[in-house]
Amino acid sequence: DIQLTQSPSSLSASVGDRVTITCRASHNINMYLNWYQQKPGKAPTLLIYAASSLQSGVPSRFSGSGSGTDFSLTIGSLQPEDFATYYCLQSYSTAGTFGQGTKVEFK
Amino acid sequence: QLQLQESGPGLVKPSETLSLTCTVSGGSISSRNFYWGWIRQPPGKGLEWIGTIYYSGSTYYNLSLKGRLTISLDTSKNQFSLKLTSVTAADTAVYYCMRVNVLTSGAYDSWGQGTLVTVSS
Repeated sequence: DIQLTQSPSSLSASVGDRVTITCRASHNINMYLNWYQQKPGKAPTLLIYAASSLQSGVPSRFSGSGSGTDFSLTIGSLQPEDFATYYCLQSYSTAGTFGQGTKVEFK
Repeated sequence: QLQLQESGPGLVKPSETLSLTCTVSGGSISSRNFYWGWIRQPPGKGLEWIGTIYYSGSTYYNLSLKGRLTISLDTSKNQFSLKLTSVTAADTAVYYCMRVNVLTSGAYDSWGQGTLVTVSS
């Protein structure tokens, strides 16, 4: 199984802050890494696929980078609607695995 | 616009079988570019991949659930289904159906709204 270690598990930030979340894979997964946002009571929504490609309709303040085992999601300027939980997902293996999640809270 | 909708009982007794169906509209489950699958999320916890099925009928299951899990397709109804046998309280979760998009490196790009299934007597 491919394990994903996401950090931090939570963070406090203010509107306008630049926020970075990291995800480390236990094996080389090339660029098969995706990022999701989940708000309470809602299904996750895809933000970034293939490590750095922005999903259609997602604001450009979201960006992804990395390859191999180390990846990151950056929110360039945090907006009020961005307070949520973020998950990474590896799709290198048919058996997908998620990171543990990062909750972005209001400071 | 692709839409996925889960349906099934919200309450299942311990040791019985959990059965859910996902109805897909706005796209065909017979497309070669997509797989279809299930994710679950216990209350207050993270996301867990359950399993995936291809239009050909090939299935891929979470090893921790293998032996209890069956995912199947009904192309005539544009639906796919999940059956999980011998459930316990640990199977209580919100269950999501989703689409795996081969064209975007296997990202799960469309999700149903989710349905809460509680295992309790």
